[in-house]
Amino acid sequence: GEQVEQRPPHLSVREGDSAVITCTYTDPNSYYFFWYKQEPGASLQLLMKVFSSTEINEGQGFTVLLNKKDKRLSLNLTAAHPGDSAAYFCAVNQGGRALIFGTGTTVSVSP
Amino acid sequence: DMKVTQMPRYLIKRMGENVLLECGQDMSHETMYWYRQDPGLGLQLIYISYDVDSNSEGDIPKGYRVSRKKREHFSLILDSAKTNQTSVYFCASSFSQGSQNTLYFGAGTRLSVL
Repeated sequence: GEQVEQRPPHLSVREGDSAVITCTYTDPNSYYFFWYKQEPGASLQLLMKVFSSTEINEGQGFTVLLNKKDKRLSLNLTAAHPGDSAAYFCAVNQGGRALIFGTGTTVSVSP
Repeated sequence: DMKVTQMPRYLIKRMGENVLLECGQDMSHETMYWYRQDPGLGLQLIYISYDVDSNSEGDIPKGYRVSRKKREHFSLILDSAKTNQTSVYFCASSFSQGSQNTLYFGAGTRLSVL
């Protein structure tokens, strides 16, 4: 079945720097991708939903890139600020069943 | 208001006791899920429910069972809890089981089994 590997597990950046989190997946039939953000002690909130037909997706303060050839999904936090300190999870769905989640990345942004 | 509510938020049980975790949603979503979250492992799917009395095992169902008698309510039951079931449990719901559907998560239940 599908497997999702997420790197790095921890990331420390200074305010204003960028931070990149990468997920690789195995199933070439995967076509829906999600990024969730989990602030300390809180639940998971959807950050962005990406369809396989779109390679670059921009949100507020971040960019999501999808490389279908390499089966790689990345989240780029541009100009990180303390409010970005959280755990981030990618998730992949190739159809049917539930999402397969990555193992998560804890991001710490220091002033 | 779109909401997934989990009760209780925190729970301490002794090994061998029975545990009931409850989840409700107000969005009339067909599909509901139970995940557990452990450090370094991300979220692992325990059970998925496609509608009332239509439940399916996830990736780690052993030691758990579920009940869904009403569309808006999904329970996770641990019969004779074990210490390795100490974890944070998240309930989620989605409009249907379609792969494009966003999951909405509850706030989680932190369970400690002593």
